[in-house]
Amino acid sequence: EAQVTQNPRYLITVTGKKLTVTCSQNMNHEYMSWYRQDPGLGLRQIYYSMNVEVTDKGDVPEGYKVSRKEKRNFPLILESPSPNQTSLYFCASSLFTSEHNEQFFGPGTRLTVL
Amino acid sequence: RKEVEQDPGPFNVPEGATVAFNCTYSNSASQSFFWYRQDCRKEPKLLMSVYSSGNEDGRFTAQLNRASQYISLLIRDSKLSDSATYLCVVSGSASKIIFGSGTRLSIRP
Repeated sequence: EAQVTQNPRYLITVTGKKLTVTCSQNMNHEYMSWYRQDPGLGLRQIYYSMNVEVTDKGDVPEGYKVSRKEKRNFPLILESPSPNQTSLYFCASSLFTSEHNEQFFGPGTRLTVL
Repeated sequence: RKEVEQDPGPFNVPEGATVAFNCTYSNSASQSFFWYRQDCRKEPKLLMSVYSSGNEDGRFTAQLNRASQYISLLIRDSKLSDSATYLCVVSGSASKIIFGSGTRLSIRP
């Protein structure tokens, strides 16, 4: 089954404790992206990657890191989480061609930073 | 001004009604347009792409007006299962993707 998976689905942590949220897709998509969703603000792009070893900042990259060592994986790293990073996080992937640029989303990771 | 703006709603309409949403975007160079549907606490899922010529998928019709920089979504004969948040998405350059905040729709029996 074609899908985007994220782990963990739920995480409660404390300020300053490094964490990684994994994202994996099995559709051989070039493009992958991370979003956070907060009430009233919609989805905001954190980082995206057009291909292996190519990553770029989105609209809200502060406090986050990403890596793209393999095509299928795009982990999101919070080196020192803070309470304002409490949010619902979605990973997405896409072929991103002129004909097929719809995004497929993972199920989301609900993060709480105390 | 937000790059993509939607009326947050909520729209509360009876089953069988026709409901329309609009979404405006500020970047005239935007190239791709979509409507996504998001159920509570779930991931967004593509409802339909929006083309300049307009497109229809069953009860759903999407249209794009480049001159006025807005896209619309029309839902006819609404069903209870249409209750969700509808997200307008605009893509400009190869990488920039902007989501609207979403419009909540609630269909009542």
